[in-house]
Amino acid sequence: QSALTQPASVSGSPGQSITISCTGTRSDVGNYNLVSWYQLHPGKAPKLMIYDVTKRPSGVSNRFSGSKSGNTASLTISGLQAEDEADYYCCSYAGRDVVFGGGTKLTVL
Amino acid sequence: EGQLVQSGAEVKKPGESLKISCEGSGYDFANYWIGWVRQMPGKGLEWMGIIYPGDSDTRYSPSFQGQVTISADKSISTAYLQWSSLKASDSAMYYCARAIVVVPRRIAWFDPWGQGTLVTVSS
Repeated sequence: QSALTQPASVSGSPGQSITISCTGTRSDVGNYNLVSWYQLHPGKAPKLMIYDVTKRPSGVSNRFSGSKSGNTASLTISGLQAEDEADYYCCSYAGRDVVFGGGTKLTVL
Repeated sequence: EGQLVQSGAEVKKPGESLKISCEGSGYDFANYWIGWVRQMPGKGLEWMGIIYPGDSDTRYSPSFQGQVTISADKSISTAYLQWSSLKASDSAMYYCARAIVVVPRRIAWFDPWGQGTLVTVSS
């Protein structure tokens, strides 16, 4: 199973919105509404930000939202804040297995 | 909510064996799947496999089948990841995470995660 495709990096200024794409295939993202997104800060445990494509866990800011169209899922962060600077990974069920994206480094300028 | 706490960093030599642990608390450990995820230096996340502590039902990623062993002891709410003969290429950060599995046995998401165990294999 190949990794999902994410941009290596994205950046934005405080207050702006950014979108991170996650492209898979009909065997994973396109076939299941089981896409999740994780935030990784250095030295901290990864954090679930979005599950089931669009759902937000309790405690996660409503500035984070998820969507999907065809084989591509997206994570949008609105009202960027300095604390959002981190690595973000998408993940999808892929018919017995799980596949992660390559990760995107978000820089808040 | 629940919490997962992993064992500390390890430095090993090639050929040595290793078993790292992941202890759960604050939830019914036996009745939730636990997954293991690898992150090699400068690389992305890779799913290794999952285990259901209640009956030790285990599923491996094809990439890791035969390379590692996942186990659990529900009596002490702990899952394990072990190697019988480490290689330098096993050097990585390893995370455990509670895996939410929905009908019919589809891995939906991972939450919460442990803090990670850094494994360094060097001669």
